[in-house]
Amino acid sequence: AQSVTQPDIHITVSEGASLELRCNYSYGATPYLFWYVQSPGQGLQLLLKYFSGDTLVQGIKGFEAEFKRSQSSFNLRKPSVHWSDAAEYFCAVGAMEYGNKLVFGAGTILRVKS
Amino acid sequence: NAGVTQTPKFRVLKTGQSMTLLCAQDMNHEYMYWYRQDPGMGLRLIHYSVGEGTTAKGEVPDGYNVSRLKKQNFLLGLESAAPSQTSVYFCASRRVNRGLDGYTFGSGTRLTVV
Repeated sequence: AQSVTQPDIHITVSEGASLELRCNYSYGATPYLFWYVQSPGQGLQLLLKYFSGDTLVQGIKGFEAEFKRSQSSFNLRKPSVHWSDAAEYFCAVGAMEYGNKLVFGAGTILRVKS
Repeated sequence: NAGVTQTPKFRVLKTGQSMTLLCAQDMNHEYMYWYRQDPGMGLRLIHYSVGEGTTAKGEVPDGYNVSRLKKQNFLLGLESAAPSQTSVYFCASRRVNRGLDGYTFGSGTRLTVV
């Protein structure tokens, strides 16, 4: 069965510092991978996705992620964090069962200190 | 604005009470999903629907029922609420010819069972 692990429950970074959020997945075939962001009181918004091709994908809000098959990882990065980036971030893998569901990691809460 | 609307946004129930959560989408999406979000566990699929009049169980269906009498609405029912059902519930929808990146999420319903 598919699974996603986000090892860091909370991360705190200073505004302007770089950010990397870790994600490891377990999936038998070529994965469809996603990063979502959830701001307080809001639904989930898609940041970026990887289906195939270039392993470095660009997303919205200046985020990027790199797919590394050998490490089963899909880490999210941003070179300079803004206070508005404080939110919860979810990594997800697409699964063909259950009507094409998304399997989510537990989430990482990002705090940004000024 | 087009999207997924969930009502209510907050609710407190006593153990044994029943309630229905409503999810409404105005995008003519075929697929609809109910997830629950619990700390440290990410989002887990409760039930889903691939079209009007059809529903199916997801990963954690026990204690919940659903109905999709109209294409735009997906109802989640709790017949006899239990404290273990305290959670944030998210509805999502997707067009059948869109891939896994075509999800639209609602802003969630925070349910507390005391």
